[in-house]
Amino acid sequence: EAQVTQNPRYLITVTGKKLTVTCSQNMNHEYMSWYRQDPGLGLRQIYYSMNVEVTDKGDVPEGYKVSRKEKRNFPLILESPSPNQTSLYFCASSGLAGGLSYEQYFGPGTRLTVT
Amino acid sequence: AQSVAQPEDQVNVAEGNPLTVKCTYSVSGNPYLFWYVQYPNRGLQFLLKYITGDNLVKGSYGFEAEFNKSQTSFHLKKPSALVSDSALYFCAVRDGNAGGTSYGKLTFGQGTILTVHP
Repeated sequence: EAQVTQNPRYLITVTGKKLTVTCSQNMNHEYMSWYRQDPGLGLRQIYYSMNVEVTDKGDVPEGYKVSRKEKRNFPLILESPSPNQTSLYFCASSGLAGGLSYEQYFGPGTRLTVT
Repeated sequence: AQSVAQPEDQVNVAEGNPLTVKCTYSVSGNPYLFWYVQYPNRGLQFLLKYITGDNLVKGSYGFEAEFNKSQTSFHLKKPSALVSDSALYFCAVRDGNAGGTSYGKLTFGQGTILTVHP
């Protein structure tokens, strides 16, 4: 089954404790992206990657890091989480042919709480 | 910078009536426009998209959307609403010009909660 998986699905942590949210897709997609969803703000793009070893900042990259060492994986790293990073996080992927005209496939989401 | 506006936080319609969820956008190049739906406690699902061609695009679950370049709008419509259509709807835009500085970015609106009453 074609899918995007994220782990963990739920995470409660404390300020300053480094964490990683994993994202993996099995569709051989070149493009992968991370978003955060906050009430009243919709989804905001954190980082995206057009291919292996190619990453770019989205609209809200501060406090986050990403890496793309393999095509299927795109982990999101919070090196020193703060309470304002409490949010619902989504990973997504899509093909690149046709100039990014393809729709994105979204993972199930990771609900992160930072206390 | 590109942007999307969904002017209504909430839309309420009666089952069987037509529905419209509004979206306007701003992008420097050619707009690639998308609608996604999010059901409670679920991820986002793709509904439809406009890339080029016919201004009226049809998508999943009987939804359609009309691209209007002069009004920079991409409103989502359905002729007859169902209670099961109740969900959170997002409009999104990206710049289709490969040389643009925003190429690769996808910008979402803040979302519109659609409630269909029996």
